[in-house]
Amino acid sequence: AQSVTQPDIHITVSEGASLELRCNYSYGATPYLFWYVQSPGQGLQLLLKYFSGDTLVQGIKGFEAEFKRSQSSFNLRKPSVHWSDAAEYFCAVGVPVKTSYDKVIFGPGTSLSVIP
Amino acid sequence: ETGVTQTPRHLVMGMTNKKSLKCEQHLGHNAMYWYKQSAKKPLELMFVYSLEERVENNSVPSRFSPECPNSSHLFLHLHTLQPEDSALYLCASSQLSGTTYEQYFGPGTRLTVT
Repeated sequence: AQSVTQPDIHITVSEGASLELRCNYSYGATPYLFWYVQSPGQGLQLLLKYFSGDTLVQGIKGFEAEFKRSQSSFNLRKPSVHWSDAAEYFCAVGVPVKTSYDKVIFGPGTSLSVIP
Repeated sequence: ETGVTQTPRHLVMGMTNKKSLKCEQHLGHNAMYWYKQSAKKPLELMFVYSLEERVENNSVPSRFSPECPNSSHLFLHLHTLQPEDSALYLCASSQLSGTTYEQYFGPGTRLTVT
């Protein structure tokens, strides 16, 4: 069965430090991979996506992610974290469904705190 | 209005009340979704409407009743809820293609059942 794991429930980083959030997926075929961010009291916003091609993808707000098929990973990175990056981050994988809708499986999320 | 909007943003209801959550998408999409987000639990897909037809009902209790009158609007009718139904309810939409899977989310309705 398809699944997404995010090993880190909570991460704390200092402002200006680099960030890496881990994501591992379980899916047989080439996956459609996403990272979403959720600020407190808000819905989910798409940060970036990977469908094919270059395994290093750039997103909004200075984030990037690298797809590594051999490790079934899609880790999110940012070279210098800002206080406004404090939020919940969700990794997700899109899978085809017989009934023709876009099924997306979300990971449990990683909560990011940023200290000044 | 742009994107996906949800009303109300906050709702407190008793266990015997009946209320409805509303979602509207302004993106021209043809699929809409209801998710439940509870504290410390992964996002749970509840219902999916594809081309205004319900195509997924993820073992959701009958006290939740969805309605999709057209491709832009989605409702979630609530009745005789339980305290464990307190959560953030998120609506999302997407354009069906089989190749993108991008979903766009509304800000959610924070529901508290007393």
